[in-house]
Amino acid sequence: DAGITQSPRHKVTETGTPVTLRCHQTENHRYMYWYRQDPGHGLRLIHYSYGVKDTDKGEVSDGYSVSRSKTEDFLLTLESATSSQTSVYFCAISDSNSGRGNEQFFGPGTRLTVL
Amino acid sequence: SQQGEEDPQALSIQEGENATMNCSYKTSINNLQWYRQNSGRGLVHLILIRSNEREKHSGRLRVTLDTSKKSSSLLITASRAADTASYFCATDAGGSNYKLTFGKGTLLTVNP
Repeated sequence: DAGITQSPRHKVTETGTPVTLRCHQTENHRYMYWYRQDPGHGLRLIHYSYGVKDTDKGEVSDGYSVSRSKTEDFLLTLESATSSQTSVYFCAISDSNSGRGNEQFFGPGTRLTVL
Repeated sequence: SQQGEEDPQALSIQEGENATMNCSYKTSINNLQWYRQNSGRGLVHLILIRSNEREKHSGRLRVTLDTSKKSSSLLITASRAADTASYFCATDAGGSNYKLTFGKGTLLTVNP
């Protein structure tokens, strides 16, 4: 299994509080992604990173920010959590040099509940 | 917006039967991938088929791609109870950042 961990694995928070989710990889992969998964919507891309300090928005980026200060860590921040951000969040990584195309490897997910 | 749309949304079969799931997409692609997700877990990559390929095999998996119809199918032969999971197609429309767009998935239940 690819070395990807997410922390925390579960979190319950209140509306209006800031929340930071962490994705950590030990694979030295260049690309990292944050998705959210909701019933009826599948996986939707929030933000992604194509290198240290290089990030861009995905399909559902409003209300989220990211940072990548080193290759192995990609942080997702909800500046002021809302109930609509209750979801399961997945981090994924990809290696452009793998020769297998852009296969993505996923972390175990973080279940976030905003009350 | 979702690029890939799987069909059916849910499929229930008996062990030993074959399972076929379909994926349709809207724009041209560089490749199409299938992923599997067991309940409560992250997604796991199954197979990738490039736009210039028509069929690919991996163990009990067979994937076809018809770029003229913008569709793909995933066939799982001789299914097992352990194949019970959600299956997602994901499309890569090209570009330098290797982004994928996922469909909503097919929930496959294989009954013992």
